[in-house]
Amino acid sequence: DAGVIQSPRHEVTEMGQEVTLRCKPISGHNSLFWYRQTMMRGLELLIYFNNNVPIDDSGMPEDRFSAKMPNASFSTLKIQPSEPRDSAVYFCASSPRQGSPLHFGNGTRLTVT
Amino acid sequence: QKEVEQNSGPLSVPEGAIASLNCTYSDRGSQSFFWYRQYSGKSPELIMFIYSNGDKEDGRFTAQLNKASQYVSLLIRDSQPSDSATYLCAAPEGANNLFFGTGTRLTVIP
Repeated sequence: DAGVIQSPRHEVTEMGQEVTLRCKPISGHNSLFWYRQTMMRGLELLIYFNNNVPIDDSGMPEDRFSAKMPNASFSTLKIQPSEPRDSAVYFCASSPRQGSPLHFGNGTRLTVT
Repeated sequence: QKEVEQNSGPLSVPEGAIASLNCTYSDRGSQSFFWYRQYSGKSPELIMFIYSNGDKEDGRFTAQLNKASQYVSLLIRDSQPSDSATYLCAAPEGANNLFFGTGTRLTVIP
């Protein structure tokens, strides 16, 4: 089991550019989550999917953020246009079923200059 | 209103001592609780979960849940320098999400 795979590990971009983060959940896991972590706010849920369907996107901060899950093995989180305040570590996590513990990917450290 | 609250620390204990990490939660309906450990620059990893009132032991780790008082704690016995990390408490929010506390940073001093 390769675990949750995220790419890229690090992303540095200029303000105004589009950023796309990618995630491959653990095979067989039905739920996928995108979290953002900062020193000030800790881990914040952005959006989660169940069986590829977005269930709760109330944590998405602005319309600049969008997420998709076209199939059970792939999800993207896109920021367009990016801003310096988006700088954070973005984690993807998956779980096999409702209420089960989450398995986290290694995260993507995003820096927007 | 925060769902889960933790003392951010830092908490320092000498090697071999017991480290006690505490968490309170606001949703009386919460049934399960999770403790994650996060090393600096790494992702959170699950170390314990607890569903029932009382204690649950796993090696040097003991999770304690008191639903009446709405707190959950994690005890680490015989603390080791390798236990130095941030410990995150998490409780369910809604049907399928976990709400995380901001974490307590633990340092075990050799």
